[in-house]
Amino acid sequence: EAQVTQNPRYLITVTGKKLTVTCSQNMNHEYMSWYRQDPGLGLRQIYYSMNVEVTDKGDVPEGYKVSRKEKRNFPLILESPSPNQTSLYFCASSPGITGELFFGEGSRLTVL
Amino acid sequence: AQKVTQAQTEISVVEKEDVTLDCVYETRDTTYYLFWYKQPPSGELVFLIRRNSFDEQNEISGRYSWNFQKSTSSFNFTITASQVVDSAVYFCALTVSYNTDKLIFGTGTRLQVFP
Repeated sequence: EAQVTQNPRYLITVTGKKLTVTCSQNMNHEYMSWYRQDPGLGLRQIYYSMNVEVTDKGDVPEGYKVSRKEKRNFPLILESPSPNQTSLYFCASSPGITGELFFGEGSRLTVL
Repeated sequence: AQKVTQAQTEISVVEKEDVTLDCVYETRDTTYYLFWYKQPPSGELVFLIRRNSFDEQNEISGRYSWNFQKSTSSFNFTITASQVVDSAVYFCALTVSYNTDKLIFGTGTRLQVFP
């Protein structure tokens, strides 16, 4: 089954404790990205990757890091989480953005 | 700059009513793509439709229909004979051809369908 898998789905952590949200897709897509969803703001792009070893900032990259060492994986790293990073995070992949974006199920992160 | 506006924050209807969700977009590009996504209470994002800027034909898929009008920069979504299962947040989104790595979302419209 074609899918984008994110883990963990739910996480409560404390300020400053590094965490990684993993994202993996099995569709051989070149394009992957991360979004965060906040009430009243819709979804905003954090980082994106056009291919292996190629990443770039989206609209709200502060406080986040990503890497793309393999085509299928695109982890989101929060080196020192802060409460303003409490949000619902979505990973997505696509063969090309003009096609459909396939989203993961979302990861709800709470930073205390 | 590109922008998507969904002015309706929340809409409530009774089952079997028709409902239209508005989407207005801004872009100076002549080639762009518009999307609608559905986010049910379970939280996942479900792709509904993609339309490119050169195709202004309206589209119907079952109870769903989309009205794309370049003259008013709108891409509205109508649900006919709404059902409780249509209750969700609906997002309109835009991407342009030269920056096809980024999808710009509206803030979403929450639709509640009551039995």
